[in-house]
Amino acid sequence: EIVLTQSPDFQSVTPKEKVTITCRASQSIGSSLHWYQQKPDQSPKLLIKYASQSFSGVPSRFSGSGSGTDFTLTINSLEAEDAATYYCHQSSSLPFTFGPGTKVDIK
Amino acid sequence: QVQLQQWGAGLLKPSETLSLTCAVYGGSFSGYYWSWIRQPPGKGLEWIGEINHSGSTNYNPSLKSRVTISVDTSKNQFSLKLSSVTAADTAVYYCARTPIAAAGRSCMDVWGKGTTVTVSS
Repeated sequence: EIVLTQSPDFQSVTPKEKVTITCRASQSIGSSLHWYQQKPDQSPKLLIKYASQSFSGVPSRFSGSGSGTDFTLTINSLEAEDAATYYCHQSSSLPFTFGPGTKVDIK
Repeated sequence: QVQLQQWGAGLLKPSETLSLTCAVYGGSFSGYYWSWIRQPPGKGLEWIGEINHSGSTNYNPSLKSRVTISVDTSKNQFSLKLSSVTAADTAVYYCARTPIAAAGRSCMDVWGKGTTVTVSS
């Protein structure tokens, strides 16, 4: 099973600040890494697919990069509505797994 | 616009069988894998398993002995059964759509709203 680790676990950020979240895989997964945003009492929403491809309708301030084992989600100029928990997910091999999540709070 | 609508019993006793159904509206049923994912209270996401329109399934080994995912293509629905539940199975259960990629599997691009299942005596 591929294990995904995320850092940091929690980040408190002021609006307009840049946020960087990393996801590391226990073995190479190519670009089969996807990012989701989950707000309280809501289902996860896809932000980035295949490491760097923005999903339809997602604001341009969200971007992703990386390949192999190391990946990054970047939120440029954070807005108040971006307060949420962010999860990475690998679809390279079964069983599919998720990272533990990074909670982003607005100061 | 594709929507996933899910339903099922929300309160179970230990040893009972969890049963949930997810219906697909507004889009094709074939050409995708359809997944179940769960999230215990205050915790992260766990993939349970998936099925395609032909009935081909894959399960998480951690739950495989208790899980059955089935499909009803005539209704564009797929279902989850989890047997012998315990308090550890208390979670929000989500259904989701995964496009079939050229190699392997893709992301989960459409999600249901989730069903809260509580296991308590």
